[in-house]
Amino acid sequence: LAKTTQPISMDSYEGQEVNITCSHNNIATNDYITWYQQFPSQGPRFIIQGYKTKVTNEVASLFIPADRKSSTLSLPRVSLSDTAVYYCLVGDTNTGFQKLVFGTGTRLLVSP
Amino acid sequence: EAGVTQFPSHSVIEKGQTVTLRCDPISGHDNLYWYRRVMGKEIKFLLHFVKESKQDESGMPNNRFLAERTGGTYSTLKVQPAELEDSGVYFCASSQGRTLAATDTQYFGPGTRLTVL
Repeated sequence: LAKTTQPISMDSYEGQEVNITCSHNNIATNDYITWYQQFPSQGPRFIIQGYKTKVTNEVASLFIPADRKSSTLSLPRVSLSDTAVYYCLVGDTNTGFQKLVFGTGTRLLVSP
Repeated sequence: EAGVTQFPSHSVIEKGQTVTLRCDPISGHDNLYWYRRVMGKEIKFLLHFVKESKQDESGMPNNRFLAERTGGTYSTLKVQPAELEDSGVYFCASSQGRTLAATDTQYFGPGTRLTVL
């Protein structure tokens, strides 16, 4: 399973765009990249997943460069309720991916 | 649609006692997973059920932990006897179980906080 590296924490203000980058230098061909969000006293919640280029859904965008050694989660116009821990996970489609491997995550604090 | 539920939300027991945690997955989900976060550290995988069968239990710390999923519906995780280092938050997740594992999103429950005194 590929090891991931993320910033420990980030601060932002309401209305700003937040970009959280994750490094995964030893990502394998079959690996997908998934981001989860976790609020205090809750379980992790799926945000977005991608394999290459760009993926967008109603809450976020995921940018993956051609070499796939990193990925960036983009949260447009954050609000106070986006304060949470964000996890980047990389896993094999066939075997290990179902055994999600969480790192320490990035703690995002959004202020007024 | 109801999400993954876990019971109890918090349990406080003494060292040497037994505790059983319960997880009810989303209806129709074949896959069920247990994870835990110990002492504020990273969330770590414990085991994975496909219906009632244990697919992967490589993360179970020792034989004091026993997970079951009789009938392929809800699951229980029993710790017997509990030790101080077992304190933490135990999360359960479920997924539908599709052919392409990468798109088989896991939905997590709120977790059970276990405190062993």
